[in-house]
Amino acid sequence: GAVVSQHPSWVICKSGTSVKIECRSLDFQATTMFWYRQFPKQSLMLMATSNEGSKATYEQGVEKDKFLINHASLTLSTLTVTSAHPEDSSFYICSAGTRETQYFGPGTRLLVL
Amino acid sequence: QKEVEQDPGPLSVPEGAIVSLNCTYSNSAFQYFMWYRQYSRKGPELLMYTYSSGNKEDGRFTAQVDKSSKYISLFIRDSQPSDSATYLCALGMDSSYKLIFGSGTRLLVRP
Repeated sequence: GAVVSQHPSWVICKSGTSVKIECRSLDFQATTMFWYRQFPKQSLMLMATSNEGSKATYEQGVEKDKFLINHASLTLSTLTVTSAHPEDSSFYICSAGTRETQYFGPGTRLLVL
Repeated sequence: QKEVEQDPGPLSVPEGAIVSLNCTYSNSAFQYFMWYRQYSRKGPELLMYTYSSGNKEDGRFTAQVDKSSKYISLFIRDSQPSDSATYLCALGMDSSYKLIFGSGTRLLVRP
């Protein structure tokens, strides 16, 4: 199957700092990527749809000024958690693909102290 | 009512058993059906995908879709301890790239 990578795989930061997470599709071009958040023992929660060359579409309740998304190219989308706080600590996962199949990255674990 | 319902489990079975995992959905507009496996602290891995009613087989895995009953299943034959994970169903439709996920079923295969 297609390969989606994420970097970093885990990050620890101090409260108030910003953290950038990269999502790359390694062997295909993705005009659309998705960002999810997952809390322990819970299912995936879609945060936003990242569109190449245009603004991201955010799900209801997700602060777009807090979670900045930039889809700079057909193979790269970035999620920046601005002024992170402990409640932002979570597992962030991106996906890319087609309507029929979506491939997920390995996830990024964020811990805000 | 949730768009997709999935029993969270946990489901505990002995090694070698046949496992049946299920999801029900309410919106007949769903046309694409996927099953993902997620190990702890890892991203979901695509196991099976289909877009028509009927069965699709891949090795020990069989995905079954019944659009008339709005019911999908994943069968695992000869289950192994390495199959212990959370299994998520995901549904999509033509009008959007967004997937709707079930809550996931935690499976434990005992040696």
